[in-house]
Amino acid sequence: RKEVEQDPGPFNVPEGATVAFNCTYSNSASQSFFWYRQDCRKEPKLLMSVYSSGNEDGRFTAQLNRASQYISLLIRDSKLSDSATYLCVVAAGGGATNKLIFGTGTLLAVQP
Amino acid sequence: DVKVTQSSRYLVKRTGEKVFLECVQDMDHENMFWYRQDPGLGLRLIYFSYDVKMKEKGDIPEGYSVSREKKERFSLILESASTNQTSMYLCASSPDGTGPRGYTFGSGTRLTVV
Repeated sequence: RKEVEQDPGPFNVPEGATVAFNCTYSNSASQSFFWYRQDCRKEPKLLMSVYSSGNEDGRFTAQLNRASQYISLLIRDSKLSDSATYLCVVAAGGGATNKLIFGTGTLLAVQP
Repeated sequence: DVKVTQSSRYLVKRTGEKVFLECVQDMDHENMFWYRQDPGLGLRLIYFSYDVKMKEKGDIPEGYSVSREKKERFSLILESASTNQTSMYLCASSPDGTGPRGYTFGSGTRLTVV
C-alpha cells in the first residue's frame, strides 16, 4: 500500500464549479499534513497546511480526519488559473525525522 | 521570500559520466532535500541533510551521493550516470523539517542521460 494515495484524475470542471480532492495516508503516527500545488513543468509550491480543526484560505478549504486517515481539499468557484496538479503531502511519522511524503497528485483542469 | 536555486535547468549527459547537480538556498535553512520526479511515480526522496556535513539516505539513494560542506549548498552527485537516471531533479529546503512552513523547492533540473 502506498504511504499517500490520491486519485490521479484528471478532474475536468467548468469555471465556477466546486471540486473536492481526497487523499488517504497509511501511517497513523503522521503529524503534519499539507497540500501543494504544481503547475505544468514547474516546481511544487505550498498551497496550505492542514490542521486538525480544518482550515480555510479564501476559496480553499482543507480538512483532516485522523480516525479515517483521510485529508481533503475543497476548491470553490474554480478559476482557470486553478488548473494544476494538487499534491497531498504527509510528514513521515514513527521516528523518521524531517521528511515529507508526497502523493502522486491529482490533476485539475478547469474549463472555460 | 526564500530562494532555492538549482544551477542548471536542463542537462544532457552521457552514460557513465559523473554528474553534479548544485542547489543553493539563501535563508539559512537547516534542512535540505533532493527528490526526483517521474510520471506516475511522484516525488521520491533521494537524500536529505539536516545539518552541515550530515546526510541521510532517502527512499532511493542507490547510484547517488551528496555533499553538504556549507549550510547553504547541497550537491547531488551521480557517480556514473545511467539512462534510468533520466528524470526531473528537485532540490528543497526547510527551516523546520515537517513544520507548518513546509518545503521551498528550486525550479528543478531536467536531466537526460543518453
